[in-house]
Amino acid sequence: NAGVTQTPKFQVLKTGQSMTLQCAQDMNHNSMYWYRQDPGMGLRLIYYSASEGTTDKGEVPNGYNVSRLNKREFSLRLESAAPSQTSVYFCASSDHPGMINSPLHFGNGTRLTVT
Amino acid sequence: AQKITQTQPGMFVQEKEAVTLDCTYDTSDQSYGLFWYKQPSSGEMIFLIYQGSYDEQNATEGRYSLNFQKARKSANLVISASQLGDSAMYFCAMRGGVYGGSQGNLIFGKGTKLSVKP
Repeated sequence: NAGVTQTPKFQVLKTGQSMTLQCAQDMNHNSMYWYRQDPGMGLRLIYYSASEGTTDKGEVPNGYNVSRLNKREFSLRLESAAPSQTSVYFCASSDHPGMINSPLHFGNGTRLTVT
Repeated sequence: AQKITQTQPGMFVQEKEAVTLDCTYDTSDQSYGLFWYKQPSSGEMIFLIYQGSYDEQNATEGRYSLNFQKARKSANLVISASQLGDSAMYFCAMRGGVYGGSQGNLIFGKGTKLSVKP
């Protein structure tokens, strides 16, 4: 009964380092999402993948890249980390985005600190 | 533009009392969905309740109900008989159609921190 699994749970990077956040879902969902959560800002969409083979920018895509590896997996890459990317990152999945009644199912988040 | 506004950064409620968390939204979509999520201090995002724009009845899920006023563009969450475990951040979110302003994505408000006092 895993749902959405994110790794790692915590990460500390130095400015300029790169890393990839991994996300996998076992609910056979079509759509996957990456959000960041900052204090007082709610959750903001970074990138999303409406279906396998497609990815699109969200509200705050700068400094990030994504890969939809297959239907289950959606990774987020920081090529050159900056202190402004210190945040909590959430991966989520849902049925087809056209189903407006379909809630997002979230992973437990990755807390990233960039020094 | 799609927007969710939660005007209460923090709220206090006495245990066993009811509390209303406010949410207003702005959208030009005719068809949309409204969601509430709970985020306890442990950090996970928990889906609570959903209301569709064409639903005639207000949604209810156990102690949670959604006071939906379409003309006012509000979707307030009501928690009845508050419990200590209800202390958490609560987020209102909206999803429109894929061809609408949100492109089918969930847009979140900034959240309300609810503290339940014993």
